[in-house]
Amino acid sequence: RKEVEQDPGPFNVPEGATVAFNCTYSNSASQSFFWYRQDCRKEPKLLMSVYSSGNEDGRFTAQLNRASQYISLLIRDSKLSDSATYLCVVLRGGSYIPTFGRGTSLIVHP
Amino acid sequence: NAGVMQNPRHLVRRRGQEARLRCSPMKGHSHVYWYRQLPEEGLKFMVYLQKENIIDESGMPKERFSAEFPKEGPSILRIQQVVRGDSAAYFCASSPPITGNKINEQFFGPGTRLTVL
Repeated sequence: RKEVEQDPGPFNVPEGATVAFNCTYSNSASQSFFWYRQDCRKEPKLLMSVYSSGNEDGRFTAQLNRASQYISLLIRDSKLSDSATYLCVVLRGGSYIPTFGRGTSLIVHP
Repeated sequence: NAGVMQNPRHLVRRRGQEARLRCSPMKGHSHVYWYRQLPEEGLKFMVYLQKENIIDESGMPKERFSAEFPKEGPSILRIQQVVRGDSAAYFCASSPPITGNKINEQFFGPGTRLTVL
């Protein structure tokens, strides 16, 4: 089983839709979690950190479920500009080396 | 405040040549990470360096690949005797010094796209 797994998609949604991605991790010692966004042929950029209590930033909400070992990203009121690949990133406790998922592709169409 | 800089942005090499990729971290950042991304693949960690120290190179191929982060100047990822399979995007990321248990955000450079003919 891969350390970090994501559904590659693509998720094809109309503007204004709500879409959610999950990311599962295999190592229960994982302690830090992030969502990054990567546009085609560009570098990854941090979208948000994922806190135990869950956190929200505008239209984006991140949740952590330690019992089931997954994190989620919810995007409300999708915009065309949200089209990108969303990368799940996990750090094990005591490690400074992040593990990246392969990413979930989102396509928002008019 | 300039971001992470990488050069060259595109590099073409013939099989057997050497490739040198450079990364200048953000001002004030002392940690550098190198990643490789193949088409349709995720980012794969290669090496983690601080100034003059390799902290973790568990993701580096055992042969032909080396990295350094000297006291002065950029971090260098060096690939000797390149092969076609080395063609990929190589990203560098930097982060500030780690304080306590806080894991800091990594800021990525634009990447170097290496093509081996």
